[in-house]
Formats: sequence, structure tokens, C-alpha cells
Amino acid sequence: AQSVTQPDIHITVSEGASLELRCNYSYGATPYLFWYVQSPGQGLQLLLKYFSGDTLVQGIKGFEAEFKRSQSSFNLRKPSVHWSDAAEYFCAVGDDYSGYALNFGKGTSLLVTP
Amino acid sequence: DVKVTQSSRYLVKRTGEKVFLECVQDMDHENMFWYRQDPGLGLRLIYFSYDVKMKEKGDIPEGYSVSREKKERFSLILESASTNQTSMYLCASRGTGTEQYFGPGTRLTVT
Repeated sequence: AQSVTQPDIHITVSEGASLELRCNYSYGATPYLFWYVQSPGQGLQLLLKYFSGDTLVQGIKGFEAEFKRSQSSFNLRKPSVHWSDAAEYFCAVGDDYSGYALNFGKGTSLLVTP
Repeated sequence: DVKVTQSSRYLVKRTGEKVFLECVQDMDHENMFWYRQDPGLGLRLIYFSYDVKMKEKGDIPEGYSVSREKKERFSLILESASTNQTSMYLCASRGTGTEQYFGPGTRLTVT
């Protein structure tokens, strides 16, 4: 069965420090991979996506993610975190064969300290 | 830009009431989705629709139904609201690509 795991429920980083949010997936087919961000009281906004090709993808707001097939991972990174990055982050997976829906992880809540 | 709107940001209903949550998208997308979001559980798919009058159950359809009479509008219906349906409800749409576009959400409280 398809599954997405975000091992960290909460992460706290200092402003200006680097960030890495983990995402692991279990999928039979070649997956499409997404990271979404949700600010408090808001809907989800797409940060970046991976379909194929270059395994390092760049997104909005200075985020990037790297697809590692051997580790079934798609970790999100940012070299220097800003206070406005405090939010909930969701990893999601889909493919050509699972119909039309995405499978979401349970989310990682990011707190940024001064 | 794709715009997905939801009829209410906040809604308070009583147990047993029939509740309608409306979602409208302006990009002529074929696919529309309803999720509920609960702390620690992430997003769970309730129903989705891939065309007008077509619908498919998601992971947690019990207690819900949907209606899609027009391409741009996808409604979620709680036939008889219960307190365990208190949640954040998110609507999304998707066109020919795989990216889903989300509305701002409706926070429903059932008392």
C-alpha cells in the first residue's frame, strides 16, 4: 500500500539556521512528489514538485528538495530560515496509476525562534 | 492564477443538522477533491470527482456525500452532522497536470 511518512512532528530552528524536513514514501510505481506549506489559518500552497529528471528541484521561497530513489526519500531543505517560514509542511505523493488523489503525510510543524 | 474558493471560512452547526460546504474553482479543472484535516492526522481524502456528476469515495467517506452538477462547483454534504465531524475541510482542484490547488479551508464546529 502507498504511504508517506514524515518522521518529525515538530521541529524548532533558530532564525538564520539551515532546515531539513524529512519525507519517506512507500510506492510501487515511479512517484510524483510534492511539498506543500500551510500557514496558520490558510489553505495549502505548493512549494515544489518532482516528476522526473534532475533529482534536485528548486521551489518558491528559497526551498529545495532532493529525490533519492535508493532511500525512498524526498527531503525539503532551506539554507537559512526566516521567521515567516514558521508553518505546517506536508509531503505528498501521487502517481499515474493511483487515480487522481494525492497521499499526504501527517505534516511537520516548524517553529522558528529568534 | 488558479483560484479555489470555499463558501465559508468558519461555520458552526448543531448536531443533526444538514450541512453544505461549497467549493468553486475558476480554471475549468476536471478533478476536484474534498479533504478533512485534523491535528496529527494530516489530510485525509473524503471524496473526489473527475467529471460532472461523477464521484469516487476516498479514504473516509462515511457520514458524507457530494454533489457535482457543474464543472466548477463541488459540494460536500453532511447529511446529519455529528460532533466527530468537527474539523477543517479543504477543497482542491486539479487540471491535466498532477498539482492540486487548494482553497482556504472551512473550519466547521458541530455542537
